[in-house]
Amino acid sequence: QITLKESGLTVVKPTQTLTLTCTFSGFSLSTNGVGVGWIRQPPGKALEWLALIYWNDDKRYSPSLRSRLTITKDTSKNQVVLTMTNMDPVDSATYYCAHRPVAGSWLDFWGQGTLVTVSS
Amino acid sequence: DIQMTQSPSTLSASVGDRVTIPCRASQSISSWLAWYQQKPGKAPKLLMYKASSLESGVPSRFSGSGSGTEFTLTISSLQPDDFATYYCQQYNSYPWTFGQGTKVEIK
Repeated sequence: QITLKESGLTVVKPTQTLTLTCTFSGFSLSTNGVGVGWIRQPPGKALEWLALIYWNDDKRYSPSLRSRLTITKDTSKNQVVLTMTNMDPVDSATYYCAHRPVAGSWLDFWGQGTLVTVSS
Repeated sequence: DIQMTQSPSTLSASVGDRVTIPCRASQSISSWLAWYQQKPGKAPKLLMYKASSLESGVPSRFSGSGSGTEFTLTISSLQPDDFATYYCQQYNSYPWTFGQGTKVEIK
């Protein structure tokens, strides 16, 4: 059974750096083809894909946020970390991590999400 | 970036109705499309992948079709549990992109 859970500060100030951790179970990020991605959703708005890291440490980012994002993995801890620098109120959103299966680039298991508010 | 367009943003229907939800890609994505269902306060749930493959455990009243730039999610007989927002997502190329969503509400 695959589960994922996001954690991190829920309130950050403008210009600060956001660090979110995705802790997962039920799969290994050392398995060929597996990936973990981050997606966000501002209140009442659509989903936005942010980043993905693969089992082989290949990393993909949203071009519009590339300069602000870093995604890393700790396979031994079953964790993926996303950092986003220079936070702004428009970055307030629910942030989700999700599992990319071996079979293809859809997202079949999602965490519950964590609401991040950017406010001074 | 490939733009995914979902229109209408809201669709009103009754229990038992056949519902079709369209999704259009700004360029061809072959069949590299997924559909998700999201209920308020919950994470999205995968329904379909590769445009027409049903995810395990998803009721068979859901089906997907299309290729290239035009896609459709169909609910053959709308059930009370199906009132939700539906998103399409392309994974043909990076950055992966989602549609703006279609909310299916009670008529």
